[in-house]
Amino acid sequence: GAVVSQHPSRVICKSGTSVKIECRSLDFQATTMFWYRQFPKQSLMLMATSNEGSKATYEQGVEKDKFLINHASLTLSTLTVTSAHPEDSSFYICSAPPGTSGTDTQYFGPGTRLTVL
Amino acid sequence: GENVEQHPSTLSVQEGDSAVIKCTYSDSASNYFPWYKQELGKGPQLIIDIRSNVGEKKDQRIAVTLNKTAKHFSLHITETQPEDSAVYFCAASSKGYQKVTFGTGTKLQVIP
Repeated sequence: GAVVSQHPSRVICKSGTSVKIECRSLDFQATTMFWYRQFPKQSLMLMATSNEGSKATYEQGVEKDKFLINHASLTLSTLTVTSAHPEDSSFYICSAPPGTSGTDTQYFGPGTRLTVL
Repeated sequence: GENVEQHPSTLSVQEGDSAVIKCTYSDSASNYFPWYKQELGKGPQLIIDIRSNVGEKKDQRIAVTLNKTAKHFSLHITETQPEDSAVYFCAASSKGYQKVTFGTGTKLQVIP
């Protein structure tokens, strides 16, 4: 149990285009999902908290208009990188805690490798 | 906010030896401490976790200890195997808050 999937696993796009990444909880519901970004040989940095049915909460320094988050259902959150540039190239990972009551254990997706040319 | 420090950044051990990774945290309100293993190109995988009401937890070759007074916790891997080679992250969070703060990671290499 507690499986989180991401799609696509890797994407290459041209500078200026937008890319959508999906995060799904396959066998549980999650009112909250988290989006992280990880640069090579670095730790995971939280970008935003995705809340089902309400606006996402962004960490300081993360542009909400550039990284659009939509949490339309209890099993799906999407991250759209708008007008992507080479500096947005990174490994994007989502996570979700099972349940709707604020449990603390989180399970991570396999990540999406974004390369912007 | 919470700050988690992790040491060492790299660790090489001979197969069969033990490996220890140490972390410290700053926020006394943190009460949940997971450990993740990340293989190259993959997402982090939860390998063990400990909550503040427990001082030690063990799962086969993996154990975690927690000292709340000193605000530090450690991961112990015994009888290491080549497949244990990966990057390990410690983390801390507060119950109900869910936001997890990660350490900087330890790259473990197990030499056959």
